[in-house]
Amino acid sequence: ILNVEQSPQSLHVQEGDSTNFTCSFPSSNFYALHWYRWETAKSPEALFVMTLNGDEKKKGRISATLNTKEGYSYLYIKGSQPEDSATYLCASYNNNDMRFGAGTRLTVKP
Amino acid sequence: DAGVIQSPRHEVTEMGQEVTLRCKPISGHDYLFWYRQTMMRGLELLIYFNNNVPIDDSGMPEDRFSAKMPNASFSTLKIQPSEPRDSAVYFCASSFGVSSNEQYFGPGTRLTVT
Repeated sequence: ILNVEQSPQSLHVQEGDSTNFTCSFPSSNFYALHWYRWETAKSPEALFVMTLNGDEKKKGRISATLNTKEGYSYLYIKGSQPEDSATYLCASYNNNDMRFGAGTRLTVKP
Repeated sequence: DAGVIQSPRHEVTEMGQEVTLRCKPISGHDYLFWYRQTMMRGLELLIYFNNNVPIDDSGMPEDRFSAKMPNASFSTLKIQPSEPRDSAVYFCASSFGVSSNEQYFGPGTRLTVT
């Protein structure tokens, strides 16, 4: 299985800005794509699980899209708030193998 | 439910000692996962169980690591003998189903091997 790549590695935005970042994953033998939010000194918390090409999920100001044919998912945050500061991880399930990306570390400045 | 429970939260041990990490998954979940998190390698899947049976242990670094799940409510990850490079945060997670449902992570065990 190829690696799961996330970009950018880190991101600094101003409160109120909207932002997005990318997760690239192997498209072959794809089963599911997970997004997690991971605050410092805490454990990862599930945001979304997506399985179908074209899936779009939304939770409050956070949404995600999935393209399984080209192997990418976008996570969007609308109107970023300081409490959104965290590392956002994606994990791809391919053929019973699961890999996490290295995460995008988001810092929202007040 | 109290969520996934891990113990101890912190463990400091000397090189060569045996270390046992414990996990209690969420009741009713049929999958249990052990992860290791380090600065260099990020979050790595070590092993996962389905209905108490190990399914994939390809992520276990070497023979010094072993994991068991004697019943649906308890799992252990053992390192014997421990080495300084094993220092990391070890997370346990559980889920209902392996890919189509989110995993719930425990608070982690921070292991330091001196």
